Amino acid sequence: AQSVAQPEDQVNVAEGNPLTVKCTYSVSGNPYLFWYVQYPNRGLQFLLKYITGDNLVKGSYGFEAEFNKSQTSFHLKKPSALVSDSALYFCAVRDGSSGGSYIPTFGRGTSLIVHP
Amino acid sequence: GAGVSQSPSNKVTEKGKDVELRCDPISGHTALYWYRQRLGQGLEFLIYFQGNSAPDKSGLPSDRFSAERTGESVSTLTIQRTQQEDSAVYLCASSAVGTYNEQFFGPGTRLTVL
Repeated sequence: AQSVAQPEDQVNVAEGNPLTVKCTYSVSGNPYLFWYVQYPNRGLQFLLKYITGDNLVKGSYGFEAEFNKSQTSFHLKKPSALVSDSALYFCAVRDGSSGGSYIPTFGRGTSLIVHP
Repeated sequence: GAGVSQSPSNKVTEKGKDVELRCDPISGHTALYWYRQRLGQGLEFLIYFQGNSAPDKSGLPSDRFSAERTGESVSTLTIQRTQQEDSAVYLCASSAVGTYNEQFFGPGTRLTVL
């Protein structure tokens, strides 16, 4: 079984400040973790993924995420937020073990609002 | 290159009518997924194709929903006898062969059932 929790429905941050969007996961095998962003009236766009290796993953648009196995977390971060980062962010997980599901499970999404 | 495309972008229909939604995946992507996104909600998995076979149909909400895929190309999602609760954005995604590849999403079809 696999599941994802995004505990915050909304995150507010001032432009120029660092931002964090939280994600915790549960998976019985090896976690493959993904972040996607959805702008209004658009499909989801891939930001970054963790498969194996370095716990700190860098992705598109200056975003990064840190994989923490002991806390089963994969929080999305950016050192300095832009107003244009305002969007809906989804975390997803799938079990990368042999026999694991090819279907990722998505969180409910977190709305990020960056204030000028 | 071209991304995932979906048509129509918007569909308004009357309760009880059938609708057909189309997805054109990225060329060469063997995996194709359909999701439903209700207003303010996350993604609800509907069905997964590997090539033209559907090993996982577990997310289809009722027998009014069906989907097919031609080879490793276009897929259609059909909803028969639409109900108001079917109103949502239907998203299609594709991914390349390999167990850890990310999904590429289309812009979605917004379905409104009156």
